[in-house]
Amino acid sequence: QVQLVESGGGVVQPGGSLRLSCAASGFTFSSYGMHWVRQAPGKGLEWVAFIRYDGSNKYYADSVKGRFTISRDNSKNTLYLQMNSLRAEDTAVYYCAKDEVTIFGVVIYRWFDPWGQGTLVTVSS
Amino acid sequence: SSELTQDPAVSVALGQTVRITCQGDSLRSYYASWYQQKPGQAPVLVIYGKNNRPSGIPDRFSGSSSGNTASLTITGAQAEDEADYYCNSRDSSGNIWVFGTGTKVTVL
Repeated sequence: QVQLVESGGGVVQPGGSLRLSCAASGFTFSSYGMHWVRQAPGKGLEWVAFIRYDGSNKYYADSVKGRFTISRDNSKNTLYLQMNSLRAEDTAVYYCAKDEVTIFGVVIYRWFDPWGQGTLVTVSS
Repeated sequence: SSELTQDPAVSVALGQTVRITCQGDSLRSYYASWYQQKPGQAPVLVIYGKNNRPSGIPDRFSGSSSGNTASLTITGAQAEDEADYYCNSRDSSGNIWVFGTGTKVTVL
């Protein structure tokens, strides 16, 4: 079955860096775009970044642009999120999610499915 | 960037019907998808597209859309439907995605 497993979370000081990984299995990873989504403690979901199936296009939320970099290694079926210049407000559970697209005529439907179990990143001194 | 606004909380009696709404300008251009999240768990897709349910999602969940508003309806709510629900769509620019503010559903 389709499975996404995040790793790499932990405690880091403000200004520090961390790299998250998301190992994918059960589907042809190289054919799908992928997202990172985060959730601060007690807060709602926040979309973070997207990468196309071939890595040719990447998009970011304004809150992380210039600090975070999304990438992928299709030979290893793995998605990454390099997080630099971390701030306290980056503290959150980080989820990876598979991008699904269906086109009906001129209408494009898009959604996230499935999601990984998440990895906690804590930015604190 | 666009915002998607949801009511913070709604309650529903067991077996009754509840509608959760999501408002935003981007919904005039893009269909919303809906996610259920229970405490300590990852979100789960419940509705996508015009009104499509993934396999394993009960048919008491349905979706609709009109103008700048998307809705998720639970017809005959069950105790296990108590959760947070989030809508999502692409921003009007098409290059970023936005989640709604979330609605906590309590089943009485």
